[in-house]
Amino acid sequence: IAGITQAPTSQILAAGRRMTLRCTQDMRHNAMYWYRQDLGLGLRLIHYSNTAGTTGKGEVPDGYSVSRANTDDFPLTLASAVPSQTSVYFCASSPDRYNEQFFGPGTRLTVL
Amino acid sequence: RKEVEQDPGPFNVPEGATVAFNCTYSNSASQSFFWYRQDCRKEPKLLMSVYSSGNEDGRFTAQLNRASQYISLLIRDSKLSDSATYLCVVNIGTGGFKTIFGAGTRLFVKA
Repeated sequence: IAGITQAPTSQILAAGRRMTLRCTQDMRHNAMYWYRQDLGLGLRLIHYSNTAGTTGKGEVPDGYSVSRANTDDFPLTLASAVPSQTSVYFCASSPDRYNEQFFGPGTRLTVL
Repeated sequence: RKEVEQDPGPFNVPEGATVAFNCTYSNSASQSFFWYRQDCRKEPKLLMSVYSSGNEDGRFTAQLNRASQYISLLIRDSKLSDSATYLCVVNIGTGGFKTIFGAGTRLFVKA
């Protein structure tokens, strides 16, 4: 692995289903983030983690949960997907919260 | 008012042109600033950080005006490959630290 990876690349999901988006980085960055990007709205922060074992809510956290059991992984879970969660999801990491962020390739999620 | 605002464009320019983007921010506690580039259906990638004294990287120049609360990006001698969306990013605060992304400015460079 080099950098930051996300899985799956894309997914079509029925409303009401549970889904976990995976994110892994090998840069030993302390901080990690989940964003969603929708046309005309730019990137909006869902949840973040400044260091392993801690998480925080971003701008649009409702309907999403995260965990940070170790430095490398930061999964995002949709407990019961709704169509408004159709979006492109980007995971990012940074050495610490003050530095520039490095992004994964994104997951395109469609909830029907 | 949005915390970070950009002109959405699109900016349509010919190859070789000079183009400038501005980004305004509303929070005076903003501490660090960046420009990212995002190609269609791809992830954002850091283009350059913005320093108080201004900085240049090849054809790209970034400037910060704290008094007026805006940052700018100047692209000289535009190339076809510069066509992308340019995102302004602002880190705000200390204890309640957060990162805000602008919605982006779309640039089309044409032959």
